[in-house]
Amino acid sequence: AQSVAQPEDQVNVAEGNPLTVKCTYSVSGNPYLFWYVQYPNRGLQFLLKYITGDNLVKGSYGFEAEFNKSQTSFHLKKPSALVSDSALYFCAVRDLGSSNTGKLIFGQGTTLQVKP
Amino acid sequence: NAGVTQTPKFRVLKTGQSMTLLCAQDMNHEYMYWYRQDPGMGLRLIHYSVGEGTTAKGEVPDGYNVSRLKKQNFLLGLESAAPSQTSVYFCASMAGGFIGNQPQHFGDGTRLSIL
Repeated sequence: AQSVAQPEDQVNVAEGNPLTVKCTYSVSGNPYLFWYVQYPNRGLQFLLKYITGDNLVKGSYGFEAEFNKSQTSFHLKKPSALVSDSALYFCAVRDLGSSNTGKLIFGQGTTLQVKP
Repeated sequence: NAGVTQTPKFRVLKTGQSMTLLCAQDMNHEYMYWYRQDPGMGLRLIHYSVGEGTTAKGEVPDGYNVSRLKKQNFLLGLESAAPSQTSVYFCASMAGGFIGNQPQHFGDGTRLSIL
């Protein structure tokens, strides 16, 4: 069965420091991976995706993610965190077991807290 | 450009009452989804639609019904509300074509409390 795991419920970083939010996945076949961000009282906003090609994917708001096939990971990163980056982050993988439905399997979410 | 719009934004119901949540998208997307979000449980798929006139069950469909009579609208109904259905409900839509790399686009949610 396909699955996504976000091993950390919360990540705390100081403003200006680099941040990493971890995600690991389990799929059969090539993965299609996504990161979303959710600000308080808002819906999920798409940040970036990995489909194929370069293992380092760049997205919105200065975020990037590194795909590592051998470690089945897709960690979200940013070189210098901002207080405004504080939010809930979700990793997701496309459910290719359900053909042509477009369904996503989401991780449990990681709360990022950036302190001034 | 409104994207995905959900109405209402908040609602309080009594146990046993019924209601319909409306999702509307203006992006001409083929696919639409209803999720519920509960603390510590991420997003769980309730029902989804791969096109106008089609619906299918997701992970947690019991107690809910859906309809997609028009391409732009996806309605979620609670037949007889129960306290366990207290949650935040999100609608999402997605373009057709090669769907492997398409992201889903989300509305801002409906916060529903069942007393």
